Formats: sequence, structure tokens, C-alpha cells
Amino acid sequence: GENVEQHPSTLSVQEGDSAVIKCTYSDSASNYFPWYKQELGKRPQLIIDIRSNVGEKKDQRIAVTLNKTAKHFSLHITETQPEDSAVYFCAASTAPSSASKIIFGSGTRLSIRP
Amino acid sequence: KAGVTQTPRYLIKTRGQQVTLSCSPISGHRSVSWYQQTPGQGLQFLFEYFSETQRNKGNFPGRFSGRQFSNSRSEMNVSTLELGDSALYLCASSRRRQTGGTYGYTFGSGTRLTVV
Repeated sequence: GENVEQHPSTLSVQEGDSAVIKCTYSDSASNYFPWYKQELGKRPQLIIDIRSNVGEKKDQRIAVTLNKTAKHFSLHITETQPEDSAVYFCAASTAPSSASKIIFGSGTRLSIRP
Repeated sequence: KAGVTQTPRYLIKTRGQQVTLSCSPISGHRSVSWYQQTPGQGLQFLFEYFSETQRNKGNFPGRFSGRQFSNSRSEMNVSTLELGDSALYLCASSRRRQTGGTYGYTFGSGTRLTVV
């Protein structure tokens, strides 16, 4: 079945440094790759997404890259700030014509050291 | 506009009981998906409903069921509760593209179920 693997499970970086979270997916039919941020005690929130016809997308300090051949995608956060501390989930959507579901990775707990 | 509303926020049940959770999607969103979140297990897909029909189902036992009403509101039911069912249950709504698939989810705040 579909599977999304996410690494690392925990990540600690110095404030101002960059953070990279990597995910791989198993289903080559996956065509939509969102990233969610979940702060402690709050709901997951979509922070950026990318579709399979695009190799890279940026939104201010956040960027996502996709390598369809390797079935690999990554989240890059530059100039990290304390408010970036949260759990980040990658996901992949296998979306046939009449139905869809989003499969999530196991999450990365990102801590920003002051 | 109002977000995704889940009720109740907290629930404590005894083993063997059954429970029903409710989710009201964002107005105009017709797809509702349910996820179970437990520490260390991430977000596990339960099922997705669209137009009152279950479109996808995850790998959960038959004790977990759901339905969707004509106004897109959805309910999830868990029968014969077990201690391991203690979790945060999240519902997410989304729009569907005409060509298939969905836009990104908007999650509700979840229902935290504790089974004792």
C-alpha cells in the first residue's frame, strides 16, 4: 500500500540556521505533496504544497523540492526562528479520478535553539 | 468564514462503550476525511467521505465507521472501545477539483478521546 517515510524524527538547529526535512513516497501515482505544521496542542496547518508537475516551490523562508524519479521530496526552512519550533508532517496524495486520500509521514519534531 | 468544527473537544469513555464524534466542514467543502493521531504514530488515515459516500478507507478494524450527511457534516463512530483507541481524532475538509483529487486539507481542532 501507499507509504510515506519521513526523516529525521527529531531535529534541533541553532536559531538562524537552516533546517531540512526529507520524505520518500512509495506510490508513483502520487501527484500532490503538502506539508503541515503542528504546534503543541494545535491543529495541523498547511504551510506549503507542491504538485508533481513542479520541481520546486518557495514561500518566503520555506521551500519544497520534489524529485519524481527518486520519489523524494524535501522541506527547507532558512533563517530559522523560535516560532518555527513545531512538528512538521509531509504527505503524499494518491488521487485517482474519483477519490483521493492523503497519507502522512510520521512527523519531524523541530526545535530551534536560541 | 467558519473553520472546521469538531465536537465534542474532549471525551472520556469506558472500555466496551461506543462513541460518536461529529465534524462540520468549511462551507462549500464536500470532502471530509478522518485521521487518528497518537504519540509516535503520526496521523493515521481512517476514511474519506464525499457526497455522502465513503471514497477511501484506511487500515482500521470494522469497529470504526462513519457517515456523511447531505449537508456534508460527517460523523465517526467507534464501537466496543479499547484502551488503544485513546487518541486525538482529527477531521479535515477540502474542496475537490473538477479533474479529481482534492486541495489541501483544513483540519479541525480534534476530539481527544480517552478510554479508561
